[in-house]
Amino acid sequence: AQSVTQPDIHITVSEGASLELRCNYSYGATPYLFWYVQSPGQGLQLLLKYFSGDTLVQGIKGFEAEFKRSQSSFNLRKPSVHWSDAAEYFCAVGVLPGGYNKLIFGAGTRLAVHP
Amino acid sequence: DSGVTQTPKHLITATGQRVTLRCSPRSGDLSVYWYQQSLDQGLQFLIQYYNGEERAKGNILERFSAQQFPDLHSELNLSSLELGDSALYFCASSVGGLDYEQYFGPGTRLTVT
Repeated sequence: AQSVTQPDIHITVSEGASLELRCNYSYGATPYLFWYVQSPGQGLQLLLKYFSGDTLVQGIKGFEAEFKRSQSSFNLRKPSVHWSDAAEYFCAVGVLPGGYNKLIFGAGTRLAVHP
Repeated sequence: DSGVTQTPKHLITATGQRVTLRCSPRSGDLSVYWYQQSLDQGLQFLIQYYNGEERAKGNILERFSAQQFPDLHSELNLSSLELGDSALYFCASSVGGLDYEQYFGPGTRLTVT
């Protein structure tokens, strides 16, 4: 069965520090991978996605993620965190039942940023 | 603003009652998805419609049903509500079935008392 694991429930970093959020997936075929961010009281916003091609993908707000098939991972990175990045981050894999898509989400990682 | 609208924003109701959540997709999007976000279950896919037809089903209870209308808006009906149904319900839309980028609405927070 398809699944997504985000090993870190909470992460705290200092403003200006680098960030890496981990995501591991389990899916038999080539995965379609996503990172979403959810600010308090808000809906989800797509940060970036990987469908195929270059394994390093760039997203909005200075985020990037690298797909590593050998490790079944799709970790999210940012070189310098801003206080406004404090939010919850969800990794998701897109699966194809009958040719149409649904998303399976990880449990999320809550990011706190210290000034 | 994703372009996906959901109403109402908040809903408080009693156990045993029935409610309807409404979603309007982004202009041009044919697919609508419903998700439930709760503290114990996390974010779970419920159901997807494409151009009026049900296309995929996830962990949706039999007490819940959905439909997509000819104008492409969708409604999620929740009946015989239980305390455990309290959650944030998100709607998302995408251009078509083979396009994986989904845009999420702001959600409807349902509280069952």
